[in-house]
Amino acid sequence: DTEVTQTPKHLVMGMTNKKSLKCEQHMGHRAMYWYKQKAKKPPELMFVYSYEKLSINESVPSRFSPECPNSSLLNLHLHALQPEDSALYLCASSQAAGSRTEAFFGQGTRLTVV
Amino acid sequence: GEDVEQSLFLSVREGDSSVINCTYTDSSSTYLYWYKQEPGAGLQLLTYIFSNMDMKQDQRLTVLLNKKDKHLSLRIADTQTGDSAIYFCAEPAGNQFYFGTGTSLTVIP
Repeated sequence: DTEVTQTPKHLVMGMTNKKSLKCEQHMGHRAMYWYKQKAKKPPELMFVYSYEKLSINESVPSRFSPECPNSSLLNLHLHALQPEDSALYLCASSQAAGSRTEAFFGQGTRLTVV
Repeated sequence: GEDVEQSLFLSVREGDSSVINCTYTDSSSTYLYWYKQEPGAGLQLLTYIFSNMDMKQDQRLTVLLNKKDKHLSLRIADTQTGDSAIYFCAEPAGNQFYFGTGTSLTVIP
């Protein structure tokens, strides 16, 4: 099983809403990532968790709050987002951070902020 | 961050070969990867090459690596309409992956 599952697939939220994106993998990977991708651009790294600890935060605004409850799950909590935060949010996992092995990606959550 | 460069667009006729190029910066990368992204979808790992290899073939895909020039290419033989997508090369560096700018491949029937 090389699958990374993300829910929901689509999300529309208002600027005052609070919502969460979820990501799950059962490959025993110990590194998990959140990326943000705008249309026709490469993914931009937001956060890296290694062994359930946050190892990289790429200067992401505090309205995005990651959480790694266990080694299989990664959440991204959203609060007071702006319309420019609308994007495809991708979760990925790899055996370890700084990995010499491939990263597997989920299908993403298409987020629209209205 | 690392600069990973690709040409933005490529258009080929169905049945021809496609060659997508990538230049990267971190000479210590152990692996280099190619990902495919279809419209509205996530990234699908296509293939990868270990840095001590010059070439890797996997069915219709051939990856060539020139470490001296830090140049990576992906050749797709007998390109099909289903190959139309954006292709990203990626290199791991530090604790993350750096992606190229992406090449949009259009296959003309």
